[in-house]
Amino acid sequence: DTGVSQDPRHKITKRGQNVTFRCDPISEHNRLYWYRQTLGQGPEFLTYFQNEAQLEKSRLLSDRFSAERPKGSFSTLEIQRTEQGDSAMYLCASSSHRDLSTDTQYFGPGTRLTVL
Amino acid sequence: GDSVTQMEGPVTLSEEAFLTINCTYTATGYPSLFWYVQYPGEGLQLLLKATKADDKGSNKGFEATYRKETTSFHLEKGSVQVSDSAVYFCALRYTGGFKTIFGAGTRLFVKA
Repeated sequence: DTGVSQDPRHKITKRGQNVTFRCDPISEHNRLYWYRQTLGQGPEFLTYFQNEAQLEKSRLLSDRFSAERPKGSFSTLEIQRTEQGDSAMYLCASSSHRDLSTDTQYFGPGTRLTVL
Repeated sequence: GDSVTQMEGPVTLSEEAFLTINCTYTATGYPSLFWYVQYPGEGLQLLLKATKADDKGSNKGFEATYRKETTSFHLEKGSVQVSDSAVYFCALRYTGGFKTIFGAGTRLFVKA
């Protein structure tokens, strides 16, 4: 399978703990995106990387959130001092600069976070 | 700002019924429009797309036409199957842009 993969698929943590999620994009996709999806809603954009550079961050991404893509391949999303409101599905997507028509984003299966 | 509005679900249909899921958008420019589908326990999958006015996207028997005059991109299928049961998301994105804006999703149940 050469799609976008995410790890872990599920994470349960206690309020105040730190968590880190990993995303592996489709090979050779230079663009990577993180979204958050809460129950009954569509995904909301969090941040965007082109290669290793983080080019855009949503206002949804508070100071407790940090994302990295150190070598322009996989990415990590860390949430510090988790709060119950952080409970959501965290989705990663990737796309290729070569798909000039629409730069279609391909999504991973997501990491479901539950903060107790 | 830009936004997408979908009809609320759930939508419940019998197998072989005709499906329409309404989607309208608000955009300052001329975005590409998408329908994504999310099957239970799986990630979002691109179902179809249209990049400019009057384009029709189609896939797996589903189709949607980009209507600039009504700012709509309604999803249709002539005969649904039980396997079409999923959540459907309408979305927009500007070509070369980094952010996809999604609607809230419409859950479809198809009964045998």
